[in-house]
Amino acid sequence: DSGVTQTPKHLITATGQRVTLRCSPRSGDLSVYWYQQSLDQGLQFLIQYYNGEERAKGNILERFSAQQFPDLHSELNLSSLELGDSALYFCASSVGVTASSGNTIYFGEGSWLTVV
Amino acid sequence: GENVEQHPSTLSVQEGDSAVIKCTYSDSASNYFPWYKQELGKGPQLIIDIRSNVGEKKDQRIAVTLNKTAKHFSLHITETQPEDSAVYFCAAYNSGGYQKVTFGTGTKLQVIP
Repeated sequence: DSGVTQTPKHLITATGQRVTLRCSPRSGDLSVYWYQQSLDQGLQFLIQYYNGEERAKGNILERFSAQQFPDLHSELNLSSLELGDSALYFCASSVGVTASSGNTIYFGEGSWLTVV
Repeated sequence: GENVEQHPSTLSVQEGDSAVIKCTYSDSASNYFPWYKQELGKGPQLIIDIRSNVGEKKDQRIAVTLNKTAKHFSLHITETQPEDSAVYFCAAYNSGGYQKVTFGTGTKLQVIP
């Protein structure tokens, strides 16, 4: 158990709908990351937050947004869903923010999103 | 930005044999290289990592080597066991201030009993 908690574990929704994925980082971790993993694909970095502030942005679509709350949990909002958004969405956390310190990133178990 | 290439995409070995997975990276500023193991239906789990000031690191049956000059690093698993079957991801950290971690595309390792 990595200590990173994600809910829901599975979600099925229709095209055009909006969903929210929730993540609680490990105790003491200030950074939260969101990754997308499509079938047979690698891990695509979406966005990173550190202590409530956005710090890095990857290949995140404009239909997607995220935020980190004062209690450090984070939510990833996916709107106007398309079939191609079906994927496994991972949240991860680490203590720090800068790559130079080599902060280990710990992953949650993921949220399976199926868009039908 | 950083680009990480990982090979092979699939690897089958007999139980007891060794497995080697290789990654190359493009950003010479990257200084931290972790390896993750992802079992079916689970999130990636860190199994070993290496920093740029070290050439090799071992942890029981797992070792990682780093060649900074050539910008490549490898994961070595010896005496493979069926429970080693999983997808393995390498990663490289861009040390440009924020943690933009770039992952390789993954290697599906199958250990045949």
